[in-house]
Amino acid sequence: GDSVTQMEGPVTLSEEAFLTINCTYTATGYPSLFWYVQYPGEGLQLLLKATKADDKGSNKGFEATYRKETTSFHLEKGSVQVSDSAVYFCALRLTAGGTSYGKLTFGQGTILTVHP
Amino acid sequence: AAGVIQSPRHLIKEKRETATLKCYPIPRHDTVYWYQQGPGQDPQFLISFYEKMQSDKGSIPDRFSAQQFSDYHSELNMSSLELGDSALYFCASSLGLRRDRVGNEQFFGPGTRLTVL
Repeated sequence: GDSVTQMEGPVTLSEEAFLTINCTYTATGYPSLFWYVQYPGEGLQLLLKATKADDKGSNKGFEATYRKETTSFHLEKGSVQVSDSAVYFCALRLTAGGTSYGKLTFGQGTILTVHP
Repeated sequence: AAGVIQSPRHLIKEKRETATLKCYPIPRHDTVYWYQQGPGQDPQFLISFYEKMQSDKGSIPDRFSAQQFSDYHSELNMSSLELGDSALYFCASSLGLRRDRVGNEQFFGPGTRLTVL
């Protein structure tokens, strides 16, 4: 079945450090890919998305590129801030051709803590 | 801008009791999804509705049922509650499931935290 695998966490960084959170996926169709962020005690917020191969999603300094050849969608940010501390979820959703498109399949989540 | 509203935000129940969670989607959104997030876990898809009809079903126990009403709000009914049902329950809404709407964003509500004692 379809699945998403994220790098083992948690991740602890100093402010202004470079961030990479790895995400790979397995899907039977052609998925759309997403990164969601969850701040403590809150719901999930869409951070960025990419709907086809080689698309780059970006928002708030975060970037991720849809790599079909490596089935990956790694999240990066050049300089993290304390306010970026949260849980980050990689997710996929099948589009045309999938029988269960619409629902999101999430990875395990990566806890990011940024220290001043 | 209006967001997805869930009620209640917190709910405490005893084992074997019933619970009803409510979700009010963003105006004009016709699709609702329910997810369950256990402690330290990723959200798991339970069930979804499009135009008041069930559109997909995931790992939802038989003890749970859900529906979408004419005003597009949805309710998740949970009976014979078990300790393992303690979790954060998210509702998300989006525009339609038509195949040409690739990449439609799901907007999540703040969640209902259910604690079963």
